[in-house]
Amino acid sequence: QVQLLQSGAEVMKPGASVKVSCKASGYTFTSFGINWVRQAPGQGLQWMGWISPYNGDTNYAQRLQGRVTMTTDTSTSTAYLELRSLRSDDTAVYYCAKSRYRGSRAAYDSWGQGTLVTVSS
Amino acid sequence: QSVLTQPPSVSGAPGQRVTISCTGSSSNIGAGYDVHWYQQLPRTAPKLLIYGYINRPSGVPDRFSGSKSGTSASLAITGLQAEDEADYYCQSYDSSLSGSVVFGGGTKLTVL
Repeated sequence: QVQLLQSGAEVMKPGASVKVSCKASGYTFTSFGINWVRQAPGQGLQWMGWISPYNGDTNYAQRLQGRVTMTTDTSTSTAYLELRSLRSDDTAVYYCAKSRYRGSRAAYDSWGQGTLVTVSS
Repeated sequence: QSVLTQPPSVSGAPGQRVTISCTGSSSNIGAGYDVHWYQQLPRTAPKLLIYGYINRPSGVPDRFSGSKSGTSASLAITGLQAEDEADYYCQSYDSSLSGSVVFGGGTKLTVL
């Protein structure tokens, strides 16, 4: 069955960068988009962006432009999220999620377990 | 403030029917972009409940249904059960934000 396995929790200093991984299994990695969504403590879901593992196309949330990079490694079916210049309000659980199809507007039919990133001095 | 507006909370007794609204605008729901719904149980990842306004993924009970009217969408839950107590989020696409996916603020469903 489809599985998305994310890397473990991170504690980072303000100004640092963090890279979260999401290893996919159970489906053809290049046939579906990968999305990143975060959830601050006690808050709702916030979309961060989408990447197509097929050709590397990306679409990032405007508010994160310049600080975020999404990549994939098709040889290992792994997606990566890098967030730079971390601030305290980046503290959140970060989820990767598989799209129902390749495009960026599709619903997300499988989710990773989430990775807690804590930004604290 | 979310681009898609949901009520912060709704409640109902077991067996009752509840609806959760998701109000957008002409740049998202009103423009015809799909709406999807997710259920998030406490301390777990969200789960897809409805996609493309009305479609249920395999395994989702038919007690859950979706609809659309103008610039709004709704999620209805009939025959309310204790295990339905969760947060519910709507999602769509907004053409006015450089092509961004947007979520509603979420609705906490309490089963009385």
